Amino acid sequence: DAGVTQSPTHLIKTRGQHVTLRCSPISGHKSVSWYQQVLGQGPQFIFQYYEKEERGRGNFPDRFSARQFPNYSSELNVNALLLGDSALYLCASRSVGSKNIQYFGAGTRLSVL
Amino acid sequence: AQRVTQPEKLLSVFKGAPVELKCNYSYSGSPELFWYVQYSRQRLQLLLRHISRESIKGFTADLNKGETSFHLKKPFAQEEDSAMYYCALIIHNFNKFYFGSGTKLNVKP
Repeated sequence: DAGVTQSPTHLIKTRGQHVTLRCSPISGHKSVSWYQQVLGQGPQFIFQYYEKEERGRGNFPDRFSARQFPNYSSELNVNALLLGDSALYLCASRSVGSKNIQYFGAGTRLSVL
Repeated sequence: AQRVTQPEKLLSVFKGAPVELKCNYSYSGSPELFWYVQYSRQRLQLLLRHISRESIKGFTADLNKGETSFHLKKPFAQEEDSAMYYCALIIHNFNKFYFGSGTKLNVKP
């Protein structure tokens, strides 16, 4: 099992652009969560999806959106990028009944210039 | 409001010394707390959960509801314990997960 996979690993964008980040959960995991980790800080919760529906949302502006597909993979979209959106974006998956144990991907490093 | 506070950004100890990484949380309900660890060039991974009341790699953590703390302890630190440690809290009603800002543990030989 490859674990949680995220793509791309690195991304450079300019202010005002749009970005899409992708995540494939561990096989059998139906829940996916997204986090933003700014340098020097802990991960900040953005979204949780389960069975293709949004189940939880953090304090992020509407420029951030996500969706989950029938195969349980997920996309995080960020519109109108700001310099402050530069961060490591982490995806985590867990299975139902896993006692809330999340498995993290390696992340996508987004740089906004 | 900061839900999880880790007051120390960096903690340096010598090999064999006891170590305690502090974590305080803010939540009036029944919390579920975790410690995650990130070793150099590796992914964030679960170290332990308060519900399990287990010891992993010699680490333990006890939930103290009176002090709203969940400190991570190990009696004898090893060099391989050097890593970034994050305390985390889940609020089930809102399906939200909160992480602290992390403590970097450096175990010196």
